[in-house]
Amino acid sequence: AQSVTQLDSQVPVFEEAPVELRCNYSSSVSVYLFWYVQYPNQGLQLLLKYLSGSTLVKGINGFEAEFNKSQTSFHLRKPSVHISDTAEYFCAVAGTASKLTFGTGTRLQVTL
Amino acid sequence: DAMVIQNPRYQVTQFGKPVTLSCSQTLNHNVMYWYQQKSSQAPKLLFHYYDKDFNNEADTPDNFQSRRPNTSFCFLDIRSPGLGDAAMYLCATSVRDSFYEQYFGPGTRLTVT
Repeated sequence: AQSVTQLDSQVPVFEEAPVELRCNYSSSVSVYLFWYVQYPNQGLQLLLKYLSGSTLVKGINGFEAEFNKSQTSFHLRKPSVHISDTAEYFCAVAGTASKLTFGTGTRLQVTL
Repeated sequence: DAMVIQNPRYQVTQFGKPVTLSCSQTLNHNVMYWYQQKSSQAPKLLFHYYDKDFNNEADTPDNFQSRRPNTSFCFLDIRSPGLGDAAMYLCATSVRDSFYEQYFGPGTRLTVT
């Protein structure tokens, strides 16, 4: 069975500072990993995905993530955050039967 | 713009009174999903359709039913809502071969009084 663990429920950060949101996964099969973002009162939106190939993947809005097989991690990073990045971020793993399993989310709170 | 639409955005129902939530899409995707998301929790898959093939999650209560009359529309019926069913309900769509790239609607927030 596949699962993901998001280690931080909330991450406060000042605007223009770098940020890392942590995600660890567990999977017994080939790993497909994703980050989704949920802005207040909206649905989820795909931020980036890792299917195969380069372990560093770039997504929308300047975010990137690195797949690390030895550490079973897929941490999300951004070198300089903006107020508009305030949102809930969900790590997800593709499981069997074409389903996604989401983590519990990390709330990124960007302040001035 | 192609999109996933959910109506209503906010729904209040009484304990035990049946309620239906609707989802429509203009993406022409063949897969549609219903998720339940409670506060500060991960979205939980209730069921999904591949075209008209219905796939129920093993732990989805019988109180939750779904209908997909055509490609564009999908409904979530809660036959007898309990206080524990208060949540955000998210509809999503995808193309079967890229199921991981799901397009979400804005959700319906259900309150049970």
